[in-house]
Amino acid sequence: NAGVTQTPKFRILKIGQSMTLQCTQDMNHNYMYWYRQDPGMGLKLIYYSVGAGITDKGEVPNGYNVSRSTTEDFPLRLELAAPSQTSVYFCASSYSAGTGANVLTFGAGSRLTVL
Amino acid sequence: AQSVTQLDSHVSVSEGTPVLLRCNYSSSYSPSLFWYVQHPNKGLQLLLKYTSAATLVKGINGFEAEFKKSETSFHLTKPSAHMSDAAEYFCAFNDMRFGAGTRLTVKP
Repeated sequence: NAGVTQTPKFRILKIGQSMTLQCTQDMNHNYMYWYRQDPGMGLKLIYYSVGAGITDKGEVPNGYNVSRSTTEDFPLRLELAAPSQTSVYFCASSYSAGTGANVLTFGAGSRLTVL
Repeated sequence: AQSVTQLDSHVSVSEGTPVLLRCNYSSSYSPSLFWYVQHPNKGLQLLLKYTSAATLVKGINGFEAEFKKSETSFHLTKPSAHMSDAAEYFCAFNDMRFGAGTRLTVKP
């Protein structure tokens, strides 16, 4: 089982460029999430999805967009990259949001630098 | 609003001594709570979870946590630290919001 796969692992962007972080899971999980991790700040939820065709904002959605056309894929798009978006991004998935069932499986992360 | 607060940003222990990583929660209902571990340059991995069954929860690698409603706490403990325990630890709420993390350093 591959679990949650994120690509790319590393990327350097120039200010104003756009890019998409890819996330795929092969566990047939309904829920998928995007987090960003900044030093000393823990993980902040950017967007999440409870199933194909359904997405919702998390704590820090500004500057990002997502889509969920299939159960497996949950790409995160940065339209106009800014230095404040320099971070490590983690994709995660879970089976459901039911009590105790919402154990997250994480990808290995994508380190993005905006210069 | 529901939230978790990790009380220490950094904890340093010697190998073989006990580990205590503190997490308090705020919730208007009985929560589900989780502890995750992140080793350097890795994703997060579940250590243990509390789901309103037993208040003392055992996890992987000898870690355990006790849910104390009266103290609104869910502290993570381990009797004897190992060098391989050096990592970042995150407490999380069942709405998938995370604490700021506690970095555990283990000295030889």
